[in-house]
Amino acid sequence: DAGVTQSPTHLIKTRGQQVTLRCSPKSGHDTVSWYQQALGQGPQFIFQYYEEEERQRGNFPDRFSGHQFPNYSSELNVNALLLGDSALYLCASSPGENQPQHFGDGTRLSIL
Amino acid sequence: SQQGEEDPQALSIQEGENATMNCSYKTSINNLQWYRQNSGRGLVHLILIRSNEREKHSGRLRVTLDTSKKSSSLLITASRAADTASYFCATDLTTDSWGKLQFGAGTQVVVTP
Repeated sequence: DAGVTQSPTHLIKTRGQQVTLRCSPKSGHDTVSWYQQALGQGPQFIFQYYEEEERQRGNFPDRFSGHQFPNYSSELNVNALLLGDSALYLCASSPGENQPQHFGDGTRLSIL
Repeated sequence: SQQGEEDPQALSIQEGENATMNCSYKTSINNLQWYRQNSGRGLVHLILIRSNEREKHSGRLRVTLDTSKKSSSLLITASRAADTASYFCATDLTTDSWGKLQFGAGTQVVVTP
């Protein structure tokens, strides 16, 4: 039973570029959330997708957008990259309310 | 501002000793979850405790929740070198905003042989 898978593992971009990160949820999970984790800090909630809709959003600018597909997989897009966007981006899936979230190993994004 | 705050920030113990870390939060919760993270990899879920529960066990882990004090604790008994990791508490708030986990900055635990 595959867990949450994310791609790519590492990515290097330059300021102003755009990036797309991908996530496949754990089998049986229909809700996908994205988190940003800066070095030495706890993860910060970006947004959550359920039934292909953004269900709720954290305190992130519109440069951060996402999508969920009918097979529940999800993408995170970041436009106009800034140096401060360098972080570990984590995807998590869950089967519903009051259930644990299962995390992938993340995508390490470095902005030069 | 962060909902969950772990204490201590860092903990160094020897194998076989117990490790205790605490988490305080500010607003009412639906549940509280503990996670482990090794060297910047993904988070591994340890225990979820619901707001109407007071204590849960999983192997060498024991979690307590005191909603009147808005605090939780994670106890790792008989620690091993493999327990070296960062530990995070995360709160899941009211039913309407479930799934929007709010994490603290974590407790870094080092277990020496």
